[in-house]
Amino acid sequence: NAGVTQTPKFQVLKTGQSMTLQCAQDMNHNSMYWYRQDPGMGLRLIYYSASEGTTDKGEVPNGYNVSRLNKREFSLRLESAAPSQTSVYFCASSENGQGNGYTFGSGTRLTVV
Amino acid sequence: QQQVKQSPQSLIVQKGGISIINCAYENTAFDYFPWYQQFPGKGPALLIAIRPDVSEKKEGRFTISFNKSAKQFSLHIMDSQPGDSATYFCAASIQTGANNLFFGTGTRLTVIP
Repeated sequence: NAGVTQTPKFQVLKTGQSMTLQCAQDMNHNSMYWYRQDPGMGLRLIYYSASEGTTDKGEVPNGYNVSRLNKREFSLRLESAAPSQTSVYFCASSENGQGNGYTFGSGTRLTVV
Repeated sequence: QQQVKQSPQSLIVQKGGISIINCAYENTAFDYFPWYQQFPGKGPALLIAIRPDVSEKKEGRFTISFNKSAKQFSLHIMDSQPGDSATYFCAASIQTGANNLFFGTGTRLTVIP
């Protein structure tokens, strides 16, 4: 029972490089989310997907793109990485409805130099 | 702007003491208030949650107190243990549509043996 799986766990990028963070869930959840976590800022929503085939911007979408490949997978792409994108990125999923919490992955620690 | 305000930023408690973390919100449409616990190197995990139709919810040593008129809610950890040392996040959401969670900035709890 894997839950939410994120890859890679660690990554160092040079400014201007691109990369895709992968996320997959095996709980048949409808909704998936990408958050970034920075010291003193808590978790901030980058993008979300309420259901397969839909994506929407969150609080801090600039510099990112997403793809909801199918119900299981939701990827986050940095087209041209910047030092301000150095952060820990978390993917989460939830089942729509009352009182359902999120299940988070273990995170990707990204450093942009 | 921060949708959910959390305090304190850090907290040190003696073993056996009570840990109290406070949160406040403005959006009266929020109808789901979870708390998440995060250990270093891990993703946040749902600890306990409450809906605004009750004023208190208790699960073991963890209690949420909810004051709808003041738009505040708090987490109480009774008989705090060193194993409770972690970062705690309060959050709020509207339980329709994408069920997006808005997080507080986090409280780092240290329980001293």
